[in-house]
Amino acid sequence: TQLLEQSPQFLSIQEGENLTVYCNSSSVFSSLQWYRQEPGEGPVLLVTVVTGGEVKKLKRLTFQFGDARKDSSLHITAAQPGDTGLYLCAGRLLTGANNLFFGTGTRLTVIP
Amino acid sequence: DAGVTQSPTHLIKTRGQQVTLRCSPKSGHDTVSWYQQALGQGPQFIFQYYEEEERQRGNFPDRFSGHQFPNYSSELNVNALLLGDSALYLCASNLGSTDTQYFGPGTRLTVL
Repeated sequence: TQLLEQSPQFLSIQEGENLTVYCNSSSVFSSLQWYRQEPGEGPVLLVTVVTGGEVKKLKRLTFQFGDARKDSSLHITAAQPGDTGLYLCAGRLLTGANNLFFGTGTRLTVIP
Repeated sequence: DAGVTQSPTHLIKTRGQQVTLRCSPKSGHDTVSWYQQALGQGPQFIFQYYEEEERQRGNFPDRFSGHQFPNYSSELNVNALLLGDSALYLCASNLGSTDTQYFGPGTRLTVL
């Protein structure tokens, strides 16, 4: 059983559309991170959220951490072909374990 | 500033063989974590090394072992390879208990 479930698993949209990716768990996390991974490469960190209810913006990307620190969302406005990739959420449990638990991933394709 | 580097890039082995993968952390980092990423899935935590000792371990069998050297570089060893060990093996580094892990490009292992 995966600790973090992401939805949708696959998403194919037209350039200029908006989208939201969800990352859900029944566990509480001390922090949650979002990564983007290109084929043949390692994940690249986009953002870290640490406070329940926190919202962070990175240009056209908006990240939100749930109030209870069990879930997060990534919203992309006016998607561009360069946004294509595998989006992964990852969290550290509140228990203090230092390792990251990764979500199942969302593969986004933005069609020009 | 060199990021996380891994070698080799690709590797092909046959069932029953043994393999060693190598990782050099980002400059200034002292903690190395290893992850296994099967095709189409999120990375799964294998173990973490700090001060040349295994600090934490995920749900992987004893066939998976590792080592950290005084210069903080690390090796991942897998014995008695199985077909199911085919995956992208990712190394990540961070400083102490800080949140942000930086990932290397990975080693693609194929077991035939």
